[in-house]
Parts: sequence; structure tokens; C-alpha cells
Amino acid sequence: NAGVMQNPRHLVRRRGQEARLRCSPMKGHSHVYWYRQLPEEGLKFMVYLQKENIIDESGMPKERFSAEFPKEGPSILRIQQVVRGDSAAYFCASSADRLDIQYFGAGTRLSVL
Amino acid sequence: RKEVEQDPGPFNVPEGATVAFNCTYSNSASQSFFWYRQDCRKEPKLLMSVYSSGNEDGRFTAQLNRASQYISLLIRDSKLSDSATYLCVVLETSGSRLTFGEGTQLTVNP
Repeated sequence: NAGVMQNPRHLVRRRGQEARLRCSPMKGHSHVYWYRQLPEEGLKFMVYLQKENIIDESGMPKERFSAEFPKEGPSILRIQQVVRGDSAAYFCASSADRLDIQYFGAGTRLSVL
Repeated sequence: RKEVEQDPGPFNVPEGATVAFNCTYSNSASQSFFWYRQDCRKEPKLLMSVYSSGNEDGRFTAQLNRASQYISLLIRDSKLSDSATYLCVVLETSGSRLTFGEGTQLTVNP
């Protein structure tokens, strides 16, 4: 039973490019969460999605960031026109229900040159 | 005031020592409470949930005091493999987000 799968594990982008981070939740989980960990900081909530719906995006920066969780396929966190300040580890978590324990993927480390 | 505050650490202890971590949270209506551990900034892994009645899992004991909005983690007979950053985590009332403390780094020395 595979856990939460994230890819790529490492992503290097130049300023102004787009970054796409993918997350496949644990089997049987329909709730997906994205968190960001900036260097030397704690994890911060970004967005909570269920299939085809964004439930809570209060932690998402207002511009350049978007997330989706389509009916088929993984959840995608998309960052347009990346800047150096976007360099961070992006973790995805999933749960079976809204109040259930969240399990984390190994993360995607984004480096913006 | 931060939503979840932890001892800043770092803690350096010898093998076999007992170490305690403290955490406070600001939202009195928070739903659920957890301790996660994070190794070398890899993914957080659930260590244990925390209940008002207190709960124990082997060498680990967690306590929750809702009146004081205080959470603790006690590690007895610490092992080298316990070296990690320990994260105090709160599930908010909306049930949609985990709020993490900054973490307390523990190093267990031989």
C-alpha cells in the first residue's frame, strides 16, 4: 500500500519559469493538503483540496500560485513565474477524512536559480 | 503571538536521559493535537496523537492540558535514533489545516 507519492523530489527552475509539483494521495484518501517549508522555518499550510474542489486556500499566496485536484490523476501545485523566494520544500499530505490523521509525502525541494 | 509555540532548543542529551518538550497553542477551540518528528527536513512523520487523558507509547508519553492550552512530550531512556526535530502540531477547528510549531531539535549523544 503505497504512501503519499510526490514528484519530482527535486526541481530546479530559473527565475520566471513555471514549476509543477505533483502529489498522489495514499490509496483510499480523498483529502489532500499542501504545506511549504521555507529554509530554517516551520511548515506552513497552503491549501486543502478534495476531488475537483478547493476547500480552503487561505494559506496560498495571492498571486502566481494555484492548486487543483482533478477527478482523475494527482493533485498539482503550480507556481508561475517563480522567484528565488519560492525556493522551499513543498510537502503534500493526505487523509481519509477531514478530521483524520494526515500522512505526508517525501516532499519536492524546489530551487530557483 | 504564534499560534503554536515550542521550546526553541536545541536539546543535547546523553543516551538514556529523559527529556521533556513543551508546547502551547493560542486557539482554545483547536480540535486535535499531535507530535510529529522530522529528520533532516525530510517529511514529518506522526509520532503520536495527544489526548486529554494522556497517552503513552513505549518510551514516549504525551499530555494535553486544555485549560492551560499546553501540550507536552516526554521521552524516557532516549536512544541515538531519537535524534530529530520534534514538531508540536494542532488541527484547527475548521478541520482543514495543521498548524505546526517551529520544532525543537533533539540530539542524543553516545
